Amino acid sequence: DAGITQSPRHKVTETGTPVTLRCHQTENHRYMYWYRQDPGHGLRLIHYSYGVKDTDKGEVSDGYSVSRSKTEDFLLTLESATSSQTSVYFCAARGGGNTIYFGEGSWLTVV
Amino acid sequence: DAKTTQPPSMDCAEGRAANLPCNHSTISGNEYVYWYRQIHSQGPQYIIHGLKNNETNEMASLIITEDRKSSTLILPHATLRDTAVYYCIVILSNFGNEKLTFGTGTRLTIIP
Repeated sequence: DAGITQSPRHKVTETGTPVTLRCHQTENHRYMYWYRQDPGHGLRLIHYSYGVKDTDKGEVSDGYSVSRSKTEDFLLTLESATSSQTSVYFCAARGGGNTIYFGEGSWLTVV
Repeated sequence: DAKTTQPPSMDCAEGRAANLPCNHSTISGNEYVYWYRQIHSQGPQYIIHGLKNNETNEMASLIITEDRKSSTLILPHATLRDTAVYYCIVILSNFGNEKLTFGTGTRLTIIP
């Protein structure tokens, strides 16, 4: 797993509340990614980062923001959670040789 | 990034070789082909990658056509634990600011 941990691993929240998911890596990888996975859609890129304070949008970025104030942490924030954001969220980091390592996922349910 | 196309699902008998195709007809000369798999709802796991030569490791073999427009992942003796979704993606060889996009992959089911 290349030292990638996600927190929380499971969360239930109410519609309209803010939620922050954290991805932490210990290998000093420059590139980090947030994906969501829903039935029938595979992995879809939300946001990614190519360095501290350098981030860009993926294909499904609406309703999400990210921040990367230090190399090891990449935060994904849902400013006002909606039921459509119920999903499994995976963080990934890109290491040497272009190998991508994934975290174990964060299950988010918005009720 | 080049786009990839994979069949949505495949079956393979246990003990036989599983051959998973991937089309990447718009691949550029400095893009690698990578394969990952995802078992149940775990995080995707790296399998193998290559540029233009065939590659083999302890998990699988990767065959890339001479024109590099397609590739095949081969699991030589499939077991029930190989049931998973397999993703083929292409990645630039340098560390560019690229969006790494995954498709929907191929759901491989190993039949006892």
